[in-house]
Amino acid sequence: AQRVTQPEKLLSVFKGAPVELKCNYSYSGSPELFWYVQYSRQRLQLLLRHISRESIKGFTADLNKGETSFHLKKPFAQEEDSAMYYCALYSGGYQKVTFGTGTKLQVIP
Amino acid sequence: EPEVTQTPSHQVTQMGQEVILRCVPISNHLYFYWYRQILGQKVEFLVSFYNNEISEKSEIFDDQFSVERPDGSNFTLKIRSTKLEDSAMYFCASSDSRGQETQYFGPGTRLLVL
Repeated sequence: AQRVTQPEKLLSVFKGAPVELKCNYSYSGSPELFWYVQYSRQRLQLLLRHISRESIKGFTADLNKGETSFHLKKPFAQEEDSAMYYCALYSGGYQKVTFGTGTKLQVIP
Repeated sequence: EPEVTQTPSHQVTQMGQEVILRCVPISNHLYFYWYRQILGQKVEFLVSFYNNEISEKSEIFDDQFSVERPDGSNFTLKIRSTKLEDSAMYFCASSDSRGQETQYFGPGTRLLVL
């Protein structure tokens, strides 16, 4: 069965500092990985997905199959980045997405 | 930009009562999903729906739950006899193809069972 692990419930960084939100997954097949973000009082939004290899709002994430990781990174945190971040895995088949427990990013001004 | 909408935003009900949570997916989407998030816990998959039938359901989605697409726009989740532990935020999502093409989430319905 697939599993997504986000070891940090809360990550606090100062504005301008680098950010790395950790995500590890467990899946026997070839996964599709995503990061979703949920700003305060707003809906879950897709931030980025590994297959597109894009950078959104300065965030990037690289899929490392050897380490089964998909860490989310940003070189310089902004206050508006404060939100809940969920790593998610799509395992194919019946289209369900498995979410991690989420990491709350708090950017301190 | 089109969005998934959900009603009501909040619902309070007595244990044992039936509730229906409503969702309007994005109009050209074909795949529909329900997820729930108990306070302080992760988002959990409940069910996926395609072509007027359930594609997959989790172990959470027992006989108390049902989904329906009663018309061309709505997608509903019914809980027949609510339990205290059904209290959660329920998210509807839709996508226009396979899941890797992005699932668009609604704002959620917060259900409180007393």
